[in-house]
Amino acid sequence: GENVEQHPSTLSVQEGDSAVIKCTYSDSASNYFPWYKQELGKRPQLIIDIRSNVGEKKDQRIAVTLNKTAKHFSLHITETQPEDSAVYFCAASRGNFNKFYFGSGTKLNVKP
Amino acid sequence: DGGITQSPKYLFRKEGQNVTLSCEQNLNHDAMYWYRQDPGQGLRLIYYSQIVNDFQKGDIAEGYSVSREKKESFPLTVTSAQKNPTAFYLCASSIGGFGQPQHFGDGTRLSIL
Repeated sequence: GENVEQHPSTLSVQEGDSAVIKCTYSDSASNYFPWYKQELGKRPQLIIDIRSNVGEKKDQRIAVTLNKTAKHFSLHITETQPEDSAVYFCAASRGNFNKFYFGSGTKLNVKP
Repeated sequence: DGGITQSPKYLFRKEGQNVTLSCEQNLNHDAMYWYRQDPGQGLRLIYYSQIVNDFQKGDIAEGYSVSREKKESFPLTVTSAQKNPTAFYLCASSIGGFGQPQHFGDGTRLSIL
């Protein structure tokens, strides 16, 4: 089955700096890659996603890049703010079954 | 998402007891999922259902059971066979099909008395 690895497990940045979180996947047939943000004790919320026919997608301060050859994708947050502090999860999925395989999460701390 | 309701928010289980976690959605989604989240870890899939009256085991189904009698409901039973049930349980739903996100409920935190 699919195996998704996520790095780093914790990331601390100064407010205004950029943050980058990386994920690798093992199944070359995976073709959908969502990113979720989870604040403490709350539900994961989708922040951005990318499909395999696209190399990059951007939404304001958030962007995701996908390298299918290397089987890795990354989340980029620019101009970080304290409210960006949370745990971020990547996931990979394939086909119509929509079964997600999640990474282990990255705890992002943005220091004011 | 306001369209997915999990209850209760907190649940306590005694030894040898089965407990049932409720998940209801009004999004008209075909697919529903149950995940377990342990501290500092990612989400692990327990069971999922693509359509009413059908469901499939996920990666950690042992000690759990589900039913899908109605499109909007997907309850999860944690049986006494699950020896380490303390965790945060998340229900999700999706339209289904390729490239569709899953939307999560607020979760149920289960603890052992």
